[in-house]
Amino acid sequence: NAGVMQNPRHLVRRRGQEARLRCSPMKGHSHVYWYRQLPEEGLKFMVYLQKENIIDESGMPKERFSAEFPKEGPSILRIQQVVRGDSAAYFCASSGSTDTQYFGPGTRLTVL
Amino acid sequence: RKEVEQDPGPFNVPEGATVAFNCTYSNSASQSFFWYRQDCRKEPKLLMSVYSSGNEDGRFTAQLNRASQYISLLIRDSKLSDSATYLCVVNMRSGNTPLVFGKGTRLSVIA
Repeated sequence: NAGVMQNPRHLVRRRGQEARLRCSPMKGHSHVYWYRQLPEEGLKFMVYLQKENIIDESGMPKERFSAEFPKEGPSILRIQQVVRGDSAAYFCASSGSTDTQYFGPGTRLTVL
Repeated sequence: RKEVEQDPGPFNVPEGATVAFNCTYSNSASQSFFWYRQDCRKEPKLLMSVYSSGNEDGRFTAQLNRASQYISLLIRDSKLSDSATYLCVVNMRSGNTPLVFGKGTRLSVIA
């Protein structure tokens, strides 16, 4: 049962370091979405990608954050020069021909 | 006004009780509606889609009222395992587009 996979599950970084979060969509899915959940908050959309294209990045901060979904390999969410406020759970979801999104287990980022 | 609003709870109910959650959304053009369930420190899992005609899946019934921009979830015969946060989720446009989440309603079913 190849669901959405994310790694690492837990990531600890010091302020100023870079964080790379990976997401492999469900088999057959070409749409990938990244969401962020701050403690005690709801999920907030960050970016939506299809293979090699960013479709909608309206929820992603303009600085320090970037995302890609290459032709081969997982989607990557990259956070440069992390700050304490970046500490959150980052969830990836994928969808196929329908609009139903399935979520991965998330990456919990802690910035010290 | 928030795009998707839910009562945060918590709802503390005994086993076997019936409990209902409500949710309102602000965008009248919204196309698709879902209830997801999220356990503590886990990912959201799809519970059910919500249709205008209403739909039922075992002990769970979801209703959509487009005129009032209102979605509901009814859980009958609550089980301890139903304890979780229930997320009201809206797709503002048709097709593969980002979802908008409510903050969730926390349910605790007590023995």
